[in-house]
Amino acid sequence: QVKLLQSGAALVKPGASVKMSCKASGYTFTDYWVSWVKQSHGKSLEWIGEIYPNSGATNFNEKFKGKATLTVDKSTSTAYMELSRLTSEDSAIYYCTSDDGWFAYWGQGTLVTVSS
Amino acid sequence: EIVLTQSPTTIAASPGEKVTITCRASSSVSYMYWYQQKPGASPKPWIYDTSKLASGVPNRFSGSGSGTSYSLTINTMETEDAATYYCQQWSSTPPTFGGGTKLELK
Repeated sequence: QVKLLQSGAALVKPGASVKMSCKASGYTFTDYWVSWVKQSHGKSLEWIGEIYPNSGATNFNEKFKGKATLTVDKSTSTAYMELSRLTSEDSAIYYCTSDDGWFAYWGQGTLVTVSS
Repeated sequence: EIVLTQSPTTIAASPGEKVTITCRASSSVSYMYWYQQKPGASPKPWIYDTSKLASGVPNRFSGSGSGTSYSLTINTMETEDAATYYCQQWSSTPPTFGGGTKLELK
């Protein structure tokens, strides 16, 4: 079965960067886009962007351009998202999802807390 | 970007009651998707292509709509249905989500 296993929670200082991972299994990793979704505490969901593992092509929500960098390692079926210049507004749970026109599979989420 | 507005924001229902959640789009969309989320868990895919139930979703759930107005209906509320439901569109990029409807047990 399809699984997306995300890295653990991170506590980072303001101004720093954080890189999180999403390891896929149970399907051909290079066949489907991987999207990342942000959920701030108690709030709704925001799409950050997506990456196509086969080519590395990316699409971003304008709001997150310059904030998020998406990469993949095809050899390990792992997608990565790096967030830079962190502020308290970046404290949230970040989900990776497989993306086939909709978000059919979700990782368990990575909690990022930005605090000094 | 297309803004999705869900109503109501919160609703309480008794077991056996019929529940309808509405999602209105700021522009016409071709399909609507729905997710169920319980506290501390990831969103679960629930309804796709407006009216198709995801795997494992009970058939007391249904989805309908077109254009700018869509809905999720629970024919008879059960305790396990208490959760937050989100609508989502991807007729235009970026995909966007509604603000969520919290369904509570009365």
